[in-house]
Amino acid sequence: AQSVTQLDSQVPVFEEAPVELRCNYSSSVSVYLFWYVQYPNQGLQLLLKYLSGSTLVKGINGFEAEFNKSQTSFHLRKPSVHISDTAEYFCAVSEDYGGSQGNLIFGKGTKLSVKP
Amino acid sequence: DTAVSQTPKYLVTQMGNDKSIKCEQNLGHDTMYWYKQDSKKFLKIMFSYNNKELIINETVPNRFSPKSPDKAHLNLHINSLELGDSAVYFCASSQDHREPYEQYFGPGTRLTVT
Repeated sequence: AQSVTQLDSQVPVFEEAPVELRCNYSSSVSVYLFWYVQYPNQGLQLLLKYLSGSTLVKGINGFEAEFNKSQTSFHLRKPSVHISDTAEYFCAVSEDYGGSQGNLIFGKGTKLSVKP
Repeated sequence: DTAVSQTPKYLVTQMGNDKSIKCEQNLGHDTMYWYKQDSKKFLKIMFSYNNKELIINETVPNRFSPKSPDKAHLNLHINSLELGDSAVYFCASSQDHREPYEQYFGPGTRLTVT
């Protein structure tokens, strides 16, 4: 079974500073990776995803992530954060479930707190 | 206008009761999902349906029964509610479960069992 580890449960950072949220996954034949964001009292929203091709993936709101197969990592980065980026961030991997790719295995989340 | 909607948003009930949560999507997607998010924010899939057919059924007590009257609706019925059922339940949908398409999430239903 696949698994996802988010190494940091909380990341406090000052506004306009860079940030990296770390994610490692268990290896598999084919890997589809996602980052979702959850703002307070809301559902999850897709930030970006890696399916194949270029290992550097750009998403919404200035976020990007790099797929590193040798290190089984998919870290999320933003060069300059805003107060509005304060949210919970979830890394997820798609696990093949009898031909279905809809079975998302989520990490435990990283709470990003941006301070003025 | 809401892509994935859930009702109710909050649900407070006593142990032993039966309750339902409704979910509707207007995106024209074929696949819908139910997730449970516990108090530590851990998110785990419970079920998925594709065009009214059950696709994913994770280890969930039999007290939980999903029902899909059509591909735009996936309701969750819970019998004999227990304290441990308290959580936020999210409905989601995607274009097709056979590909790793983006999943669109509803706003969640916060269930509190007392």
